[in-house]
Amino acid sequence: GAVVSQHPSWVICKSGTSVKIECRSLDFQATTMFWYRQFPKQSLMLMATSNEGSKATYEQGVEKDKFLINHASLTLSTLTVTSAHPEDSSFYICSARDPGMTSRNEQFFGPGTRLTVL
Amino acid sequence: GESVGLHLPTLSVQEGDNSIINCAYSNSASDYFIWYKQESGKGPQFIIDIRSNMDKRQGQRVTVLLNKTVKHLSLQIAATQPGDSAVYFCSAGGTSYGKLTFGQGTILTVHP
Repeated sequence: GAVVSQHPSWVICKSGTSVKIECRSLDFQATTMFWYRQFPKQSLMLMATSNEGSKATYEQGVEKDKFLINHASLTLSTLTVTSAHPEDSSFYICSARDPGMTSRNEQFFGPGTRLTVL
Repeated sequence: GESVGLHLPTLSVQEGDNSIINCAYSNSASDYFIWYKQESGKGPQFIIDIRSNMDKRQGQRVTVLLNKTVKHLSLQIAATQPGDSAVYFCSAGGTSYGKLTFGQGTILTVHP
C-alpha cells in the first residue's frame, strides 16, 4: 500500500516553456503532499507543502509564481515550472502522507521526475 | 530552524561487514525520525523510523539508535549486501507537523 506515482518520469524542454509534473497517491487519499527538488549528489530540499483545497505553503526562497502548485483533489497534486530556465534542471520528487497513519509522520515518495531545460 | 547533517558523506564497506551511518539534527523539538534509502534515479524508500520516546529500534538487518541528549541518530546495517549500495538520508520532523528536514546524505558502497 501507500504508493505514490509521478508523471512524467523525465522531461526535456526548451528554455522559456512551462512544464507540468503530476503527483498521484494511488491507494490512499492525501490531504497533504510535498514537493522537493534534488540536485546531483545533494539532499532533498523541500520546496512547498501542497494542501488539498487550499493554497500551497512555500519554503523560504522558493518563488511561488515560478513553481505553481495545485492540489485539486485528494489524490493529485501538480507542480508547474513556469518559464523554465537551465538552472531549473533538477530531479523533482513529490511525497504524500497517509492521513490514516495518525501515529506516524512517514512520507511516501514518488519515483521522481528528471527535468532538463535546454 | 531545523537542520540535519551527516558526519560522513561516503562509506565503503565489504560485503558481509556491518555499516554504521551517522546523523546529527539541530531542532530539539523534533520527535520523529526516519531513515530513507535512495537508489540512483529513484525516489527515497522508507527504511526504519523511531520516535523520541525510544532510543533504539530494530528492523530486519537494520537498527536505528537515537541519542536525544546530543541530538544524534545512527543507522546500523548488519551483514551489508551489494544491494544495500545507495544514498542514505536521515530526516527529522514531528508527529504533530508534516514537514521533514533531510540530512546531507551518505553514499554507501558495498564491495563484493
